[in-house]
This record gives sequence, structure tokens and C-alpha cells, in this order.
Amino acid sequence: GAGVSQSPRYKVAKRGQDVALRCDPISGHVSLFWYQQALGQGPEFLTYFQNEAQLDKSGLPSDRFFAERPEGSVSTLKIQRTQQEDSAVYLCASSLAQGMNTEAFFGQGTRLTVV
Amino acid sequence: GENVEQHPSTLSVQEGDSAVIKCTYSDSASNYFPWYKQELGKRPQLIIDIRSNVGEKKDQRIAVTLNKTAKHFSLHITETQPEDSAVYFCALMNSGYSTLTFGKGTMLLVSP
Repeated sequence: GAGVSQSPRYKVAKRGQDVALRCDPISGHVSLFWYQQALGQGPEFLTYFQNEAQLDKSGLPSDRFFAERPEGSVSTLKIQRTQQEDSAVYLCASSLAQGMNTEAFFGQGTRLTVV
Repeated sequence: GENVEQHPSTLSVQEGDSAVIKCTYSDSASNYFPWYKQELGKRPQLIIDIRSNVGEKKDQRIAVTLNKTAKHFSLHITETQPEDSAVYFCALMNSGYSTLTFGKGTMLLVSP
């Protein structure tokens, strides 16, 4: 595709509901990252994939957060039993090579609101 | 983990003035320093980056300077225009990691 695509763009969830956020990276990009951006803050790292391998998940805030990239392309970030503090924009980024020291391209994000 | 402080949090300038945003960091092993621009409701976009073996880099009206001894790097925008209004994030990466740590952002407002 032309860029990193995320869906849905907006998601409203009731507290306690499970949600799944999708990221379609740029075709051929090896690395994929998930970030969480709270209102008025910078993006905070959640997790990193190199192809299908999840190499770093140190930023996931709790065991309610789970990410996968089973075929090394599309990735899904799942949040179980959502809570109000999970409300944020979830950004996905991809880069051609390993890591982020080559340009990382961001998607437009999914804005999650937990009510 | 790494820590990066970004100042100011908001910056208002008149069109044509210069704007400077500064970030300081603590980890001397940091070696890659990009700057991202994020317009309201849009994705962050890379505008310029610098690596630790370079002290300054310029691209038209935008420049970035790096002082490794003092552990700070700055974004300079000259001849600002209203379309420069956005939130700007500094970021950095340590060679031992594969991901970026972001500053909290600077909201730049350029008044015509």
C-alpha cells in the first residue's frame, strides 16, 4: 500500500470490553512498532516486531495488552477488559530495516475511547 | 530506560520569526536523533534527523544541531510560516535498542 494503514480510525468501547486494533504496514517493511499516545503527550513505546518475531514487549502496560504479527505483515494489538486509562491514540509504525534508525513511517492511529 | 526532556512545551511566534526547540538527554550511548512533526489529528512525520557523528544538519528552513558533550540537540526553524504550526517531537535511540524514545512535544503556533 501507499502507507501504513490502521483500522478502525476510532473505537469507543465500554469498560470491560475487549478490543482489537489492526495495523497494515508498508509492504516489505521488516520492523513494526506499536506506540500509545495519550492526549497532549508524546508517543510511548509498547512493543516491537521484526518480521513475525516479537523482540521487545517491555512497553506493554499490563497483561491485558497483547500483540501479534503471525505472518510478519499485518499486526493486531488486542486489549482485554478495557479500562478508562486505556483511552489514547494507538499508533503503528513500520520501517524497512531492523529497528528504527532508518525512517519509521507512522499510521494515522486508532483513537480508543473507553467509556 | 532512556529519558528525554523537551522544552518549551508551547511556543508562539510571529510569521517570519525563528523558532528553536531544545531536547536534553541522559544516555551518552544515544546515537540517532530524529524530529517529528504532528499536525492535529494526523500522524507523526519525520522532518529531519541527525546521527551522533554529525554536529549539524540543514534542510531548507529546518536545521538540527547536536551537542554530544552537553547531551542536547535542538530544532531550528527559520522564516516560520503559519503552516509550520503543529506539535514537534524530538526523539532518540540508543544503539543498544531498536526503538525510539520521544519527548513530550512542543506545540508551535505561528501567527500571520
